[in-house]
Amino acid sequence: GDSVTQMQGQVTLSEDDFLFINCTYSTTWYPTLFWYVQYPGEGPQLLLKVTTANNKGISRGFEATYDKRTTSFHLQKASVQESDSAVYYCVLGDMGYKLTFGTGTSLLVDP
Amino acid sequence: EAAVTQSPRNKVAVTGGKVTLSCNQTNNHNNMYWYRQDTGHGLRLIHYSYGAGSTEKGDIPDGYKASRPSQENFSLILELATPSQTSVYFCASGETGQIYEQYFGPGTRLTVL
Repeated sequence: GDSVTQMQGQVTLSEDDFLFINCTYSTTWYPTLFWYVQYPGEGPQLLLKVTTANNKGISRGFEATYDKRTTSFHLQKASVQESDSAVYYCVLGDMGYKLTFGTGTSLLVDP
Repeated sequence: EAAVTQSPRNKVAVTGGKVTLSCNQTNNHNNMYWYRQDTGHGLRLIHYSYGAGSTEKGDIPDGYKASRPSQENFSLILELATPSQTSVYFCASGETGQIYEQYFGPGTRLTVL
């Protein structure tokens, strides 16, 4: 079945640092990939999505690109702020409108 | 404002008791989902529905039932709650054709003693 792997469980940065979170996926179908973000006390919300048609997504200063050759999908931001502290999930969508979530990467940004 | 709401927000139950978690959405979406969130597992799909009257098993359905009596409401039922079902449960809604974006509720924290 579909699977998503996030190896970085926790990342701690200072404001204005560069953020890079990597994710790998496995699927037998053409993937649609997402990054969801979850702020404390809230449900996850869509940050951005990437399809095989465009290979890249940009939203709120975050950029995600996917590499079909290595089946990787990473999230980056040039300069993080304290308000970016949250849990980031790499997510794979299937044809049945279901989502498969990774285990999440908790980002803490020190002011 | 379109939203997904869940009730209760917190629940303490006893082992062997029956628990019902409720979800209401005003997005007029066809699809609704129940997930549980546990450290080290992310979110895992329990049950989902494509519309009123339909329920489908997700990846971890054992020990759970679901009910979709209307477009707006989707319930998750634990007939015989166990401590292993202690978790945070999220409901979500999504529209067929809007490529896979799901809108999540605020979650219900369930503790089974």
